[in-house]
Amino acid sequence: DIVMTQSPDSLAVSLGERATINCKSSQSVFFASNNKHYLAWYQQKPGQPPKLLIYWASNRELGVPDRFSGSGSGTDFTLTISSLQAEDAAIYYCQQFYKVPHTFGQGTILEIK
Amino acid sequence: QLQLQESGPRLVRPSETLSLTCNVSGVSIGDTSFYWGWVRQSPGKGLEWIGTFYSYNESPTYNPSLSSRVTISVDASKNQFSLRLISVTAADSAIYYCARQGVVLPTPLHFWSQGTLVTVSS
Repeated sequence: DIVMTQSPDSLAVSLGERATINCKSSQSVFFASNNKHYLAWYQQKPGQPPKLLIYWASNRELGVPDRFSGSGSGTDFTLTISSLQAEDAAIYYCQQFYKVPHTFGQGTILEIK
Repeated sequence: QLQLQESGPRLVRPSETLSLTCNVSGVSIGDTSFYWGWVRQSPGKGLEWIGTFYSYNESPTYNPSLSSRVTISVDASKNQFSLRLISVTAADSAIYYCARQGVVLPTPLHFWSQGTLVTVSS
């Protein structure tokens, strides 16, 4: 199985500041034939299901604010929230959907400082 | 507007079968090209992908760790799909989500149900 490791496990960021979450896959999730990385980011708030934010490493899902962006390649990926809002407090997960079983990271708790 | 709602027993006894149905509204499973899936979440294992299926005569793809015990099926006439997990243990206690995926594999999970907590206990 591809192991997804997120860092840090938790972080606290002030409102308006930048938040950065990292995700490392144990093997590449890059599909050369279509030049895409099969990496997604989800946001989960208490009592709610996960919500898809980013897929193919950098494509923002419809309706997701543009302060959320994804980057990276190969095995190292980053989710960036450019200017943190109060409603962004949540747990964030990365997922690879390149190889079965599709696996998730352990989650990163983002708190407001 | 797409809505997904699970139904089924919330308490299952060890060694018995967990059965959940995802009722889909707002889109017709049989008329669309989406893939559909199941995911579960527990404190011990985090988020775990269970399997994905396509409504048009394609065999589901399962998590190998569960493949000997899991079956995903669809009833397009009722606009619903189901999860069946046999021989459950306490480790199968989790929140179970159904989800709408994309139109081409492999695909992320674009839209999730609210989830239903299933407890395995005698």
